[in-house]
Amino acid sequence: GAVVSQHPSRVICKSGTSVKIECRSLDFQATTMFWYRQFPKQSLMLMATSNEGSKATYEQGVEKDKFLINHASLTLSTLTVTSAHPEDSSFYICSAPGPGNTIYFGEGSWLTVV
Amino acid sequence: AQSVTQPDIHITVSEGASLELRCNYSYGATPYLFWYVQSPGQGLQLLLKYFSGDTLVQGIKGFEAEFKRSQSSFNLRKPSVHWSDAAEYFCAVGGPLNDYKLSFGAGTTVTVRA
Repeated sequence: GAVVSQHPSRVICKSGTSVKIECRSLDFQATTMFWYRQFPKQSLMLMATSNEGSKATYEQGVEKDKFLINHASLTLSTLTVTSAHPEDSSFYICSAPGPGNTIYFGEGSWLTVV
Repeated sequence: AQSVTQPDIHITVSEGASLELRCNYSYGATPYLFWYVQSPGQGLQLLLKYFSGDTLVQGIKGFEAEFKRSQSSFNLRKPSVHWSDAAEYFCAVGGPLNDYKLSFGAGTTVTVRA
């Protein structure tokens, strides 16, 4: 079946550095992917919509210069957290509409900024 | 605008007892509805989904949900709970009306007592 793969699953980075998270659709093409964020013991909130070949659209309150999204191909979207700070520590997860009118989620990435 | 309400923040149930988790949604057309489960430190696992057709949907792990348009609800049920069902459960709504962006409820934490 259709699969969305996310990498890395866990990452620890130092404050001030940047970290990149990849989201791949493994056996289908995804012109659109979505990035969500989940703080501990909270629900998932949509951060942005990644559009292949064009700029991402960000939800209100999400800093586009801090959370850089690139969707360079039909199977890959990347989220780069720039100049990360401890408050950026969170669970980031991507999704993509795929075959069978199903929305597929990646495994998620746990980011810890120290 | 689309939204999801999960009225119950926390439910405790005895092992072997039945479980029902409530979900109410707001959406401008026929919704795509999902139930996901998340164990501590883990990603999201899709339990079941509804797009159209039979309003009683069967999912994995013995779960089922019923779509009731008149009540704008999509409640999740399991006849007999196992200790491994202890987790966080999220209801989500989305669909083509909003380009498949999902809105998640706040989640319901299920505790299973022996």
